[in-house]
This record gives sequence, structure tokens and C-alpha cells, in this order.
Amino acid sequence: SAVISQKPSRDICQRGTSLTIQCQVDSQVTMMFWYRQQPGQSLTLIATANQGSEATYESGFVIDKFPISRPNLTFSTLTVSNMSPEDSSIYLCSVRGRGTENIQYFGAGTRLSVL
Amino acid sequence: LAKTTQPISMDSYEGQEVNITCSHNNIATNDYITWYQQFPSQGPRFIIQGYKTKVTNEVASLFIPADRKSSTLSLPRVSLSDTAVYYCLVGIYNQGGKLIFGQGTELSVKP
Repeated sequence: SAVISQKPSRDICQRGTSLTIQCQVDSQVTMMFWYRQQPGQSLTLIATANQGSEATYESGFVIDKFPISRPNLTFSTLTVSNMSPEDSSIYLCSVRGRGTENIQYFGAGTRLSVL
Repeated sequence: LAKTTQPISMDSYEGQEVNITCSHNNIATNDYITWYQQFPSQGPRFIIQGYKTKVTNEVASLFIPADRKSSTLSLPRVSLSDTAVYYCLVGIYNQGGKLIFGQGTELSVKP
């Protein structure tokens, strides 16, 4: 298994500002994922972040809005840039289990409110 | 990735067995079926995974018919703490595969 810590757990931000969310894993993992969960909705994959390469973004998400860093095998950040109220969501970090595990583990999420 | 269809919501009472069925008509040969559980203010948590027939663990059972076009998550004797959203996902998650979430089933367990 993997234990994932996200910071901050929640934040209230003003529109036009940016917030960087940190994700720390207790073991080395190759694949990390960032998801968004809007109120009352399911999870939507934003991007896949592999160490040593550029993040791969899903349709509808762009690097300028959601830049991602992956400096090592245990850490990643997601920045929500130039925020608007529509960015109010829960942002979740997730990692793939090691080896042949077909399991993903999720952090508790960062609850973001944009005023 | 195979699309999944599951009921939006279900109600149950404590002590009952709950069966949540998921349809995945376009499942591919190498796809696995995985169920996740999500409580409010938490990230999803892996429950069970299977490829065919029946899989059982300490939390749930997963029934998969021979044609694999559907699957049923069975929760025995639910309690109030089983109130959550349950997601059925289908796909290959090795070698760069991605988890794509569908709508999920909101299960409400009443006393």
C-alpha cells in the first residue's frame, strides 16, 4: 500500500491568485495522478505525472492553468493558476501501487474554495 | 476504456445484503473490473478487483458472469458506516493505464 499526504487540506483563495498543492508519498512510485472532483460529482483526471518527464494532460486541462512538478519519486505539486470560482473543487493526488498491482491509492484531497 | 453504467443511488437498511450491479458492455479482453469506495471528505479507497467468476475478500464479494459484460459488488450485512459512493471501473492499469471514474452509486444505509 501507499500512504499519501496532501497539503493544504483546504484553502480559501481570492480569484486571480494561484495555489500550489503538495503531494507526498511514503514510498517511491513511478506514476502519480492528479484528479479534480467538483461538488457532488465524480472524479475527473487532470494529468499523469511521471518522474523525469513532462506531465501528460487530459482533454480540457492545460499546463498553463495546472502546472505540475514531479522532482522525485515521492513528491509532486499541482498549481491551480489564475483561479476563478469555477476552480472551486477538491483536488486529489493518487499513485499507482508498485509492481503488478492494479490498485491506485488516493490522498484525502485538498478542498479549494475560490471567492 | 470501457464505459460503465451503474445506478445513481441505492437505499438499504442495516444488516441487509446490498448488491450493486455495473454494466460494461464494451469490456476488452485484458480489462480488469475494480471497485472503489469513497466517503465524504476522503479520497477513494480500493475495495475489490476481479477478472472473471467470483472474488471475495474481507470487505466484499465481486461476481462476474462468463460474458464479463456486467459485474455485481456484494456487501454483506451493511452498517451505517457503509454509507458512501461506490465506483465501478474497467480497464488495464499496468503499463501506463489510467483510472477513469464514472458516475458512481451513492449508497445510503439507514438504521
